[in-house]
Amino acid sequence: QKEVEQNSGPLSVPEGAIASLNCTYSDRGSQSFFWYRQYSGKSPELIMSIYSNGDKEDGRFTAQLNKASQYVSLLIRDSQPSDSATYLCAVILVGANNLFFGTGTRLTVIP
Amino acid sequence: NAGVTQTPKFQVLKTGQSMTLQCAQDMNHNSMYWYRQDPGMGLRLIYYSASEGTTDKGEVPNGYNVSRLNKREFSLRLESAAPSQTSVYFCASSEDRPNYGYTFGSGTRLTVV
Repeated sequence: QKEVEQNSGPLSVPEGAIASLNCTYSDRGSQSFFWYRQYSGKSPELIMSIYSNGDKEDGRFTAQLNKASQYVSLLIRDSQPSDSATYLCAVILVGANNLFFGTGTRLTVIP
Repeated sequence: NAGVTQTPKFQVLKTGQSMTLQCAQDMNHNSMYWYRQDPGMGLRLIYYSASEGTTDKGEVPNGYNVSRLNKREFSLRLESAAPSQTSVYFCASSEDRPNYGYTFGSGTRLTVV
């Protein structure tokens, strides 16, 4: 089992819909979780971080964390074509000094 | 504010050639990282440096060396390039531990022929 797993997609949603991106991780003791957005040919940019169980909202983005299920998700409300990108889940595993990344989920928002 | 600057942006090497990828950050971060990104493999850590003067291997260090020249600069060297090292390379930095995530450079697209 990989440390961080994501469905590679592609995930297609119509404009205005909710996009739901999911990530599971292997290390039950992990404490810090991140979502990055990466446009084609560009570098990853941090969009959300979450450290406690529950939901964290920032504008149209909501990160959800369930440590018991080792599951973190990202919801994008009112999806826009500009949200079309690859979304990377990243986790700091116990005892590590670096982020472990999933392979990313490619999201396409259809106008 | 520049953030993390990587050079060059593109490079083509012949098998066996050597080169150094440069990275500099101006955010006074202690930790710096080199990742490679390949289709279907995600971002994989090559080396990292938790502070000036220290470096540690990551998941895929073979064929690479690094130098933490000072607090700002962290370079990645390919001594004898191989086609398997064709990839996109990203440098990143963070505070002491990456509890607040990384800031990434713009990347270097390297092709080894």
